[in-house]
Amino acid sequence: GAGVSQSPSNKVTEKGKDVELRCDPISGHTALYWYRQSLGQGLEFLIYFQGNSAPDKSGLPSDRFSAERTGGSVSTLTIQRTQQEDSAVYLCASGSGSSSYNEQFFGPGTRLTVL
Amino acid sequence: AQSVTQLGSHVSVSEGALVLLRCNYSSSVPPYLFWYVQYPNQGLQLLLKYTSAATLVKGINGFEAEFKKSETSFHLTKPSAHMSDAAEYFCAVTSYNQGGKLIFGQGTELSVKP
Repeated sequence: GAGVSQSPSNKVTEKGKDVELRCDPISGHTALYWYRQSLGQGLEFLIYFQGNSAPDKSGLPSDRFSAERTGGSVSTLTIQRTQQEDSAVYLCASGSGSSSYNEQFFGPGTRLTVL
Repeated sequence: AQSVTQLGSHVSVSEGALVLLRCNYSSSVPPYLFWYVQYPNQGLQLLLKYTSAATLVKGINGFEAEFKKSETSFHLTKPSAHMSDAAEYFCAVTSYNQGGKLIFGQGTELSVKP
């Protein structure tokens, strides 16, 4: 079956521009996570959606970052006024149920390069 | 707060040799522990997880890990390395009150020599 998909796979942008990254989770998965993978910081949690509950935004590094999840399915991560330190691979994961020990299924990521 | 430390950013073994990747965690509540593998230009794939049942956990591709509370460790092992095991491996921790958000270690890159 289809896994988690992310688009675009690569994005190059200029400093100061806004970017939108998209995640299509596995159908029926209620949990959706965004992580960031960078050389300096490793893998970091950004934000978590569970069903219709308010998202856990505790990992967002600044107010330039935001995310939404429409209809409990597709999610978009938006970075405003991009900076060079935002360059990283942004990974999306989805999971079934609300238990912390449930497996998260990861997408291939979006590689963001800010020039 | 929770944290994970992976000892050794790079590990190199010969094909057929034992693989041992080290992971130590810190958690003030009972942890759930995971090992993920990442092949080049791909997302992460779950190898195995510990969720407070059996302390010796078997995963895919012949990997296993043992939860040792007294040592706060969750080391990953495989008796005999294959060339196809070359990848980056991440240990991660979460707990019942974290909503599943994973705290990852820095990763260990495994190289397998013929």
